[in-house]
Amino acid sequence: DQQVKQNSPSLSVQEGRISILNCDYTNSMFDYFLWYKKYPAEGPTFLISISSIKDKNEDGRFTVFLNKSAKHLSLHIVPSQPGDSAVYFCAASARSGNTPLVFGKGTRLSVIA
Amino acid sequence: GAVVSQHPSRVICKSGTSVKIECRSLDFQATTMFWYRQFPKQSLMLMATSNEGSKATYEQGVEKDKFLINHASLTLSTLTVTSAHPEDSSFYICSARETGGPETQYFGPGTRLLVL
Repeated sequence: DQQVKQNSPSLSVQEGRISILNCDYTNSMFDYFLWYKKYPAEGPTFLISISSIKDKNEDGRFTVFLNKSAKHLSLHIVPSQPGDSAVYFCAASARSGNTPLVFGKGTRLSVIA
Repeated sequence: GAVVSQHPSRVICKSGTSVKIECRSLDFQATTMFWYRQFPKQSLMLMATSNEGSKATYEQGVEKDKFLINHASLTLSTLTVTSAHPEDSSFYICSARETGGPETQYFGPGTRLLVL
């Protein structure tokens, strides 16, 4: 049973527009959420995180929104740039010890110039 | 930000040999490190959780005798693929979580293993 779901395997956006990547989770014990970006043949790079006590966290062009009642989070990238083209992974954690993050399957974002 | 290195970045070996991959946290201590495997066009698959000074915890379906993990210090974990076979060819990625820090995991750049 997948606890973290990214239902869109791919997304195409024009340069300059907003990219919205979505993620749903099922485990109500999750209280910390992260987004990672991954290029081919490289390790994932940490982008931004949010604690369950917040509903929004912003860092430059990246904003993560958390809707706990809907068990849904999203990553907004604005304005999108061609260099943002990569696979984005959503991850979640229940901060109860040294348990690994639970990852979604990823969404491939293509930003078209 | 926190830096995690992996060595080697790529390795080609003959079937039946063993390969050791190192994962180091360069500017922080990591009581816990994680080893992942990624198949082409697939998401990350957690193989095991490596705990400093104790035995690793393996995910279901991962052979502990095949994939030996040693976490001898707070900055180094090693994954040894023993008696490698072509089906072990993959992209192996480690991550580390800072001791006492937030839940953020920082990933290494990955190691491409090709077994001939």
